[in-house]
Amino acid sequence: SQQGEEDPQALSIQEGENATMNCSYKTSINNLQWYRQNSGRGLVHLILIRSNEREKHSGRLRVTLDTSKKSSSLLITASRAADTASYFCATDAEGNNRLAFGKGNQVVVIP
Amino acid sequence: DGGITQSPKYLFRKEGQNVTLSCEQNLNHDAMYWYRQDPGQGLRLIYYSQIVNDFQKGDIAEGYSVSREKKESFPLTVTSAQKNPTAFYLCASLRTGRSGNTIYFGEGSWLTVV
Repeated sequence: SQQGEEDPQALSIQEGENATMNCSYKTSINNLQWYRQNSGRGLVHLILIRSNEREKHSGRLRVTLDTSKKSSSLLITASRAADTASYFCATDAEGNNRLAFGKGNQVVVIP
Repeated sequence: DGGITQSPKYLFRKEGQNVTLSCEQNLNHDAMYWYRQDPGQGLRLIYYSQIVNDFQKGDIAEGYSVSREKKESFPLTVTSAQKNPTAFYLCASLRTGRSGNTIYFGEGSWLTVV
């Protein structure tokens, strides 16, 4: 099964700065999604971008998708301490109900 | 409130024992999933079920078993054949939609072998 791969693996930033993380995948997809996981909790869906979309916004989140490079980025603007979490990308291959998750990006926002 | 409930949150297993993790959802979702997460790692799919009375192996099914007798319930049994079961286990269900399918997760269960 395909795997998303986030880069960088860990990021530490000051509150108010922007945080950017990337994800690459290997096969054709229907859409790409980003999830957030607080330590020891379940994952929470953040945003979905379809394969025919290039950019999507949701609050302080901005997601881009480049299907030619098979990559996506997640930008969190004006970060807050509460944004400290791990962020995972997941891809939904065509005709498949199995989402493949990447290894995650750990983001630490220092107050 | 609608959601996915996993229990117990923490479970200890002795060597050679089978243990069962419960997962219940009231979201009326057809598809359900079990993932395993090791510290600092991503999610690996153990088993999934697209519909009642049907399930398929994921990427790391060895040493695990599941059942899907009811739409709401998808319990996972960690058998004694699973040699390294200590991990965080996540149950999920799938919401299908025209804009895309999204997964809803439970809060997870920690399993430790003692």
